[in-house]
Amino acid sequence: GGIITQTPKFLIGQEGQKLTLKCQQNFNHDTMYWYRQDSGKGLRLIYYSITENDLQKGDLSEGYDASREKKSSFSLTVTSAQKNEMAVFLCASSIRGRGNTLYFGAGTRLSVL
Amino acid sequence: GDQVEQSPSALSLHEGTGSALRCNFTTTMRAVQWFRKNSRGSLINLFYLASGTKENGRLKSAFDSKERYSTLHIRDAQLEDSGTYFCAADDTNAYKVIFGKGTHLHVLP
Repeated sequence: GGIITQTPKFLIGQEGQKLTLKCQQNFNHDTMYWYRQDSGKGLRLIYYSITENDLQKGDLSEGYDASREKKSSFSLTVTSAQKNEMAVFLCASSIRGRGNTLYFGAGTRLSVL
Repeated sequence: GDQVEQSPSALSLHEGTGSALRCNFTTTMRAVQWFRKNSRGSLINLFYLASGTKENGRLKSAFDSKERYSTLHIRDAQLEDSGTYFCAADDTNAYKVIFGKGTHLHVLP
C-alpha cells in the first residue's frame, strides 16, 4: 500500500499572504490533483498534473499556482489569501491509463484571518 | 448547472435498515467513483465502476452510463456507517473527475 501526505494539516494565514501547500505520494502514481472543498459545494478541481513537470488547470485555477517538481510531489500555492477564507484543500493521485481511482490525502485546512 | 447532482443531501436511517444514494449526470460520464469521508476527514474510495454493478459487504453500487446515473445502496446500516458520502464522475476528459455535493448519512440506534 501507499500513502499520500499533505503538509501542513492546518494553515493560518493573513489576508494577501502567499501560502504554499505540499503533497507527497509514494504510490508511484502518474497523475496528481488538487481539490478544494467548501461546505455545500462538494469538491472542485483546482489543478492537476499527469506527469512530472506537467500542469493542467481545473475549474478553479484562478488565484492559485501549482508545481509538479517530481513524480512524487505536487505543491499548490494560494497567490493571495482572501480575508475570512476557510476551506479544506485535498490532494489526490491516480494511476494513468488504469481508470481514475483516486486516492486522497487527509487534507490541509486553511483559515485566513 | 451542476454536472453531477447527488441526492439526498442528508439521510437518517435506523440501524438495520437500508437506503440508496443517487447521482444523476447531465452528460455521459466514462466512470463513477463513490467515496466515504472517514472520522479523520480523509476520503476513502468505496467503488470505481466503468459499468454494471459492484458489491462489497453491505454496500452495492451501480452505474448506467447511458441513463446517466449511479446509485450506492446501503443495507443493514450500522452506526459506524454514519458520515458523508460522495460520488465522483469521470467526464470525457479522462483526467477530470467531477464531484457531487455529498450526502450526510446519520445512522440512528
